[in-house]
Amino acid sequence: SAVISQKPSRDICQRGTSLTIQCQVDSQVTMMFWYRQQPGQSLTLIATANQGSEATYESGFVIDKFPISRPNLTFSTLTVSNLSPEDSSIYLCSVARTGGANEKLFFGSGTQLSVL
Amino acid sequence: AQKVTQAQTEISVVEKEDVTLDCVYETRDTTYYLFWYKQPPSGELVFLIRRNSFDEQNEISGRYSWNFQKSTSSFNFTITASQVVDSAVYFCALRGAGGTSYGKLTFGQGTILTVHP
Repeated sequence: SAVISQKPSRDICQRGTSLTIQCQVDSQVTMMFWYRQQPGQSLTLIATANQGSEATYESGFVIDKFPISRPNLTFSTLTVSNLSPEDSSIYLCSVARTGGANEKLFFGSGTQLSVL
Repeated sequence: AQKVTQAQTEISVVEKEDVTLDCVYETRDTTYYLFWYKQPPSGELVFLIRRNSFDEQNEISGRYSWNFQKSTSSFNFTITASQVVDSAVYFCALRGAGGTSYGKLTFGQGTILTVHP
């Protein structure tokens, strides 16, 4: 398995501000991902955090709203910018262990964001 | 496009009952991977199983078992002799093959399982 630490675990933010979420992994991983889970909903992939290059965003997500950093192979941050109540969700960091046929995707404990 | 459907929104059982969570998927990929995750009230996602499309053997792990039926595109999950600690949201997920799909899961809507004492 993988030990994934996410900070903060929850936060309440004002509209128009930004929140930066940190994800730290206990060992180097090639790929890290950020997912969003809206209230009562399933998980949706926001982007792939690439080490040494710009993140790769999924359809419907843009860098200006969700800037991502990946300075090394064990750490990434996701910023949710210009917050609105619609951004209230759980944001989860995930990493993939082992490639190919034995790939397993592990998740952090999530950051619960509430926007007032 | 890929899709995962968990038709059961909520299931409520009494402890020691067996319960099956349904998962039906759609994909055009000939090779793909299926997952089940558990999300207890604490919020973290716990990895339960990964199944490759080319391996149709069913699997049992303790009280958990999984029935993969490629012919019906289903990957159902059964908990035998359920316990209160099994109460959680369970997600079925799908990933296509190929490097660009690495780590990119398509999740179902989840099934809320409540096990009453």
